[in-house]
Amino acid sequence: EAQVTQNPRYLITVTGKKLTVTCSQNMNHEYMSWYRQDPGLGLRQIYYSMNVEVTDKGDVPEGYKVSRKEKRNFPLILESPSPNQTSLYFCASSPNRDVAQPQHFGDGTRLSIL
Amino acid sequence: AQSVTQLDSHVSVSEGTPVLLRCNYSSSYSPSLFWYVQHPNKGLQLLLKYTSAATLVKGINGFEAEFKKSETSFHLTKPSAHMSDAAEYFCVVSWFSGGYNKLIFGAGTRLAVHP
Repeated sequence: EAQVTQNPRYLITVTGKKLTVTCSQNMNHEYMSWYRQDPGLGLRQIYYSMNVEVTDKGDVPEGYKVSRKEKRNFPLILESPSPNQTSLYFCASSPNRDVAQPQHFGDGTRLSIL
Repeated sequence: AQSVTQLDSHVSVSEGTPVLLRCNYSSSYSPSLFWYVQHPNKGLQLLLKYTSAATLVKGINGFEAEFKKSETSFHLTKPSAHMSDAAEYFCVVSWFSGGYNKLIFGAGTRLAVHP
């Protein structure tokens, strides 16, 4: 089954404790991205990746890092989480950067930073 | 500048009545437009997309949307609501600029369906 898998689904942690949210897709997609969803704001893009070793900032990159060492994986790293990063996070992938291609989304990761 | 406005944050309908979720966009480019649905505790699922072909687009679960360039709108409709349609809906604009694929999501419309 074609899917985007995020882990963990839920995480409660404390300020300053580094964490990583993993994202993996099994569709051989080139394009992957991370979004955060906050009430009344829709989804905002954090980082995206065109292909292996090619990443770039989205609209709200501050406080986040990503890497793309393999095509299937695109982890999101919070080096020193803060309460304003409490949010619902989604990883998405699409075959390539063609604007007509829809995104395939994971089921989300709800992060609470205390 | 590109933008997406979903005109209603909440819409409530009775089962069996029509659904209308409104979306206006602003784009300097020729955009692709999408509607996604999000059920509780799930990711976003594609309902339908417009990519400069037919202006009336049919999607899954009986939904359709009409692209009206003169009104810069892409409203989502369904003739008869079902209880399972209760979810949050997002209108999305996508365009290509500077070598990169850009997307903007609307703020979302939460659809409630009453028996």
